[in-house]
Formats: sequence, structure tokens, C-alpha cells
Amino acid sequence: AAGVIQSPRHLIKEKRETATLKCYPIPRHDTVYWYQQGPGQDPQFLISFYEKMQSDKGSIPDRFSAQQFSDYHSELNMSSLELGDSALYFCASSFTGGGTDTQYFGPGTRLTVL
Amino acid sequence: AQKVTQAQTEISVVEKEDVTLDCVYETRDTTYYLFWYKQPPSGELVFLIRRNSFDEQNEISGRYSWNFQKSTSSFNFTITASQVVDSAVYFCALSRQAGGTSYGKLTFGQGTILTVHP
Repeated sequence: AAGVIQSPRHLIKEKRETATLKCYPIPRHDTVYWYQQGPGQDPQFLISFYEKMQSDKGSIPDRFSAQQFSDYHSELNMSSLELGDSALYFCASSFTGGGTDTQYFGPGTRLTVL
Repeated sequence: AQKVTQAQTEISVVEKEDVTLDCVYETRDTTYYLFWYKQPPSGELVFLIRRNSFDEQNEISGRYSWNFQKSTSSFNFTITASQVVDSAVYFCALSRQAGGTSYGKLTFGQGTILTVHP
């Protein structure tokens, strides 16, 4: 079965640079979520999109923005990177429909900020 | 606000031992969903189970079993006859029913690091 695809898998950036993370949800899934997992931490919700509209927002810094495109893929844009942004970034997708369905996670993008 | 607590930070067992991972949650919602995810050393998050708040039946899947008790707000996970491949971080998570402004975002517990020794 198709899974969530994330690219790149690893990314190394310098402070103050910009990064773009991409997510391709499971086909026919209508909701995409982004999570950030710091070292030794649990994943923290950043933002979600339902049918290409932002549906919920968590503790996402103003330096970060995200969108979902017409083909349902999503991108997380991160600017003015800081050392503290080094983390594992997960994208998850689900078929929400009329209720809550299971979120399936991609393999994650490991971002290192030097 | 929703909260999930996994009191056990780390558990170490020897292969073939049974092990139970505890999860306690807090929510004001009457309808909610509980999940367990596994994060092996490779880093991905693997879905194990989803349970909704109206279904208190215990579930067994092979060596895995889950005990949901609404009265104590607990959703515990037991691995029977543990194996080295079970070594991972296990997360319990909670979500609201999708709708309105909350489309099912997950609130995770702190995770329990399980190490199974040969």
C-alpha cells in the first residue's frame, strides 16, 4: 500500500537560511498534518490542512509557513533558521471525512541547522 | 486542554518477558480517540492501534494487547513474550473528534523507551 512520502529525508542548513520540506499524502487522504519532534521529545503538532485549507494551527513559529496544493501535496517553509529548529519533521495524512481517522506518518525529514 | 501521561520513561526487560506500558489521559470531550504508535530506532512512527471513546472492548493482536478503561482514563499496552525487535519508543496519543477547528491533531505522551535484551 502507498505510504506518505517526505522529501528530503535529510537536510543540513546554516543559521538564517531557508528550508522547504515536502509531503505527499496517501492517495485519497484529505487531511495533512505537520509535526516537529525535537531530540528525546514527543512529536508536537505544528499545522494541518483539510481539503487544501488550513484547518488547525499549533505552536508553529511565525518564521514557518505551510500550504497544501491542488494535488494535495504540502510544503512546510522555514525561514531564518535557528539552531533550535534542528529536529525531525513528520508529515502525516488521514482520511478525515466526517470524523477522525487514523493518521499515517511519513518517514520524516531530519533537519540539522549548523 | 488535552493531556497524555506516560509515567514510565524507560523500561528494560529480557526477551520473552511480558511488559505493560501505561498511558493515562485527560480530556473534557465525550468523544475522543486514543492511539498507540511505535518509533523504532530508524525513526519512523508506526501506527499500532486506534480506539474510540465509545468502545471499551479490549483488543488483542498477536503478542500485543490493549486495555482501555474509561473509569480510570487509561489505555495500557501489553506486549506478551517480548522480542528484541520490540525495542523502540512507544507513544500513546489522544485526539478529538474531527470537526470545527480541530481536525484530529494528535496530543502525544512523552513516550516510553522499551529495551528488550536478548
